[in-house]
Amino acid sequence: AQSVTQLGSHVSVSEGALVLLRCNYSSSVPPYLFWYVQYPNQGLQLLLKYTTGATLVKGINGFEAEFKKSETSFHLTKPSAHMSDAAEYFCAVSEFNNNDMRFGAGTRLTVKP
Amino acid sequence: EAGVAQSPRYKIIEKRQSVAFWCNPISGHATLYWYQQILGQGPKLLIQFQNNGVVDDSQLPKDRFSAERLKGVDSTLKIQPAKLEDSAVYLCASSAQGASTEAFFGQGTRLTVV
Repeated sequence: AQSVTQLGSHVSVSEGALVLLRCNYSSSVPPYLFWYVQYPNQGLQLLLKYTTGATLVKGINGFEAEFKKSETSFHLTKPSAHMSDAAEYFCAVSEFNNNDMRFGAGTRLTVKP
Repeated sequence: EAGVAQSPRYKIIEKRQSVAFWCNPISGHATLYWYQQILGQGPKLLIQFQNNGVVDDSQLPKDRFSAERLKGVDSTLKIQPAKLEDSAVYLCASSAQGASTEAFFGQGTRLTVV
């Protein structure tokens, strides 16, 4: 079955600095990959997704992620962090023949002023 | 469009009691998921429905958890009897058919078992 590993349970950056959240996946078939954000006491909101086509995917709030098949990675980046980006971020994977979506353990992003 | 609705938002029960959660997915979404999110962890899939049929319930503790999806729309998740380790947020999500479509999440039900 497909799975996701998120490296780093907690990432702290200064406001204006680069944000890099790491995600590696395992899948026996071409994967579909997602990044979700969760603010306190709220459900998950989709940031971006990769299905097919262009490997660099742009999402909401200035985030983007690049699918690298050779590295089985789908890291999330944002050039300049904002205080409002502080939240929990989850990487998820599903497979083209199966709606079964599996999540990583999450990375908590802290943004320092 | 209306989002995924869940109720209640919060529930506190004593161990060995029973509890039920309700979910109304986005209209027209064929796939419905129930996830368990323990504090500090990612969501864990408990059960996945396609219309009113179960696709995957491999991680559902079937001795105490049950779920149904009536007429392929609303769904209920029940725990009977509850244990302390069931304390978590229970998230319902729905998606249109097809693995490339994203899941839309409700706000969740926070369960505390004391």
